[in-house]
Amino acid sequence: DIQMTQSPSSLSASVGDRVTITCRASETIYSHLNWYQQKPGEAPKLLIYAASILQRGVPSRFTGSESGTDFTLAISSLQPEDFATYYCQQTYGASYTFGQGTKLEIK
Amino acid sequence: QVQVQESGPGVVKPSETLSLTCTVSGGSISPHYWNWIRQSPGKGLEWIGHVYKDGRATYSPSLESRLNITVDTSKRQISLKLTSVTAADTAIYYCARADTYGSQPLDYWGQGALVTVSS
Repeated sequence: DIQMTQSPSSLSASVGDRVTITCRASETIYSHLNWYQQKPGEAPKLLIYAASILQRGVPSRFTGSESGTDFTLAISSLQPEDFATYYCQQTYGASYTFGQGTKLEIK
Repeated sequence: QVQVQESGPGVVKPSETLSLTCTVSGGSISPHYWNWIRQSPGKGLEWIGHVYKDGRATYSPSLESRLNITVDTSKRQISLKLTSVTAADTAIYYCARADTYGSQPLDYWGQGALVTVSS
């Protein structure tokens, strides 16, 4: 199985801040990496796919990048609605796996 | 607009079989993979498995021995059966469509079905 190590597990930030969340794959997954946002009581929502492509309708303050087996989700200028939990997911291996999640909280 | 809806019993007894159905409307079953994901209370997301229109399914290794996912394209339904359940299988179960793009992002999700394993 391909393991995804996501960090940090939690993060406190203020409105207007820029934050980054990282996922590291245990082996090469090329660009088979997606990012999701989940708010309490809701299903996850797709933000970015193929490591860096913004899903339609998602604000441009969300960006994704990759470097080898490291993948980063950046949110510039945090808005109140961005405080949520974020998950990465790899879809390269035979079995797909999610990262452990990062809870983004208001400082 | 694609809509995805999970349905099934909210309570299952230990050692019995958990059965859920995902019904798709507003879009085609083909050519997508249809995924099941679960989330235990207060925990993260766990990918369970997926199925293609021709019935080919892939499962999480940790659940493979207990799991069966099938598709009925005529009814536009995807079914999940998980046998010999325990309290550890208590979770919200989501059905989600994978886009056909290479990384198969999950672009449409149901609202989830809470299943509690309890006697």
